[in-house]
Amino acid sequence: EVVLVESGGGLVQPGGSLRLSCSASGFTFSAYWMHWVRQGPGKKLEWVSRINSDGITIHADSVKGRFTVSRDNARNTLYLQMSSLRAEDTAVYYCAKVAEAYTSWAYFDHWGQGTPVIVSS
Amino acid sequence: DIVMTQSPDSLALSLGERATIKCKSSQSLLCGSHNGNHLAWFQHKPGQPRKLLIYWASTRHSGVPDRFSGSGSGSDFTLTINSLQAEDVAVYFCQQYCGDRLTFGGGTRVEIK
Repeated sequence: EVVLVESGGGLVQPGGSLRLSCSASGFTFSAYWMHWVRQGPGKKLEWVSRINSDGITIHADSVKGRFTVSRDNARNTLYLQMSSLRAEDTAVYYCAKVAEAYTSWAYFDHWGQGTPVIVSS
Repeated sequence: DIVMTQSPDSLALSLGERATIKCKSSQSLLCGSHNGNHLAWFQHKPGQPRKLLIYWASTRHSGVPDRFSGSGSGSDFTLTINSLQAEDVAVYFCQQYCGDRLTFGGGTRVEIK
């Protein structure tokens, strides 16, 4: 059974940093492109970052230069390092797995339950 | 970025009725190397992870009941739930996956009248 479990969220002051983790199990983690998606209060889902199976990354313009996605295939874990956090980064952050191995087609067959991040003084 | 506009925001129907949810994209979702429409539908129930229902606009994901169907092409898409069941109460949303910058519809809440 595929399971994705996010952790690391919490309350942080503006300008602060957090590192989110997504622990994956039940599939060959290294073979799949992985994404971070967030949903702020009362907002649509917003795509944040993607890392492919070779470790190549891309980020949304809204977080570029502040957030970095990475992966540790030995630990089956996805990360999101967030710095220079702003109030508008307040959201629940989800990791998501694409459905097909070694493809870029980003329809997700599994999502985590999410970890909340609150940026406030 | 491609804007996804979903309608209606909410829907209240009786058990057994048909639910129809629309999703419109600001650009055609026929893109990339695959010749399908890069559009997925998801179901989200409170306290549960989001569940993939449909991908490539009309391909039902494994294990999804056949009362769920997706249709449409280009920039206009529909999710249909035939014969609404109590367990279908949820929020449904669309997502496009043309290129790297994914975007989502705002969601449609489906309730039983």
